[in-house]
Amino acid sequence: DVKVTQSSRYLVKRTGEKVFLECVQDMDHENMFWYRQDPGLGLRLIYFSYDVKMKEKGDIPEGYSVSREKKERFSLILESASTNQTSMYLCEQGYNEQFFGPGTRLTVL
Amino acid sequence: RKEVEQDPGPFNVPEGATVAFNCTYSNSASQSFFWYRQDCRKEPKLLMSVYSSGNEDGRFTAQLNRASQYISLLIRDSKLSDSATYLCVVYSGGYQKVTFGTGTKLQVIP
Repeated sequence: DVKVTQSSRYLVKRTGEKVFLECVQDMDHENMFWYRQDPGLGLRLIYFSYDVKMKEKGDIPEGYSVSREKKERFSLILESASTNQTSMYLCEQGYNEQFFGPGTRLTVL
Repeated sequence: RKEVEQDPGPFNVPEGATVAFNCTYSNSASQSFFWYRQDCRKEPKLLMSVYSSGNEDGRFTAQLNRASQYISLLIRDSKLSDSATYLCVVYSGGYQKVTFGTGTKLQVIP
C-alpha cells in the first residue's frame, strides 16, 4: 500500500508564526505536490517538486515556500502565517494516479 | 471559464436510486481523467479511471465524451455509504497540469 504521511492532522498557530508542514512518502517517487483545499474553491496547487532540491510554483505560491532535501520528504513552509492561510493542506505524490496524505487542518489565529 | 467544472450539488437521493454526475473540462488536449471520492474531513482517494471506451466497476460506471469534453460518473443502486464528495480530475500532461474539479456532494438518504 502506498503511504503518504503528514506530520500533523490538526495544527493551531498564531499570526506571524513560522509553520512547517512535513510530508513523507514511501513510494520512492519523484513527484510531490502541496495543495490547499477550501470550501467552494476545491484543491489549489501551491508548490510541487519533481526531484530532490527541485521546486516549482503552482497556482498560489504567495506566502509559502518549500523544501525537498530528500526524495521522500517534501516540506511546506509558511514564513509568517496569516489568518487567510487557515485551510486544509494536502500533500500528494504521484504522476498519473495521485496518492494523498491524510491532510493537515491548519488554523491561524 | 474554469478548466474543470462540476455541479457542487448537493445531490440528495434515496437509497437504491441511480444518480449521475458530469464534469466538463476546457482543455481539449487533456489526456487522462479520473474520479476521486472524498469523505468528510478525509483525503481524496481514487475511485476509478475514465477511459474513452468507458469503465465499469460494480455499481459505478465512468464515461468520457471527448467531442463534448465531459466525463460522467453513474452510480446505480445507491448505498448510504456512497455519501461523499466526488472530484473529477483531469490530467493534461506535464507536472503541473493536474486539475481538480471542486467536487459534487452526494447525500444518499435512507
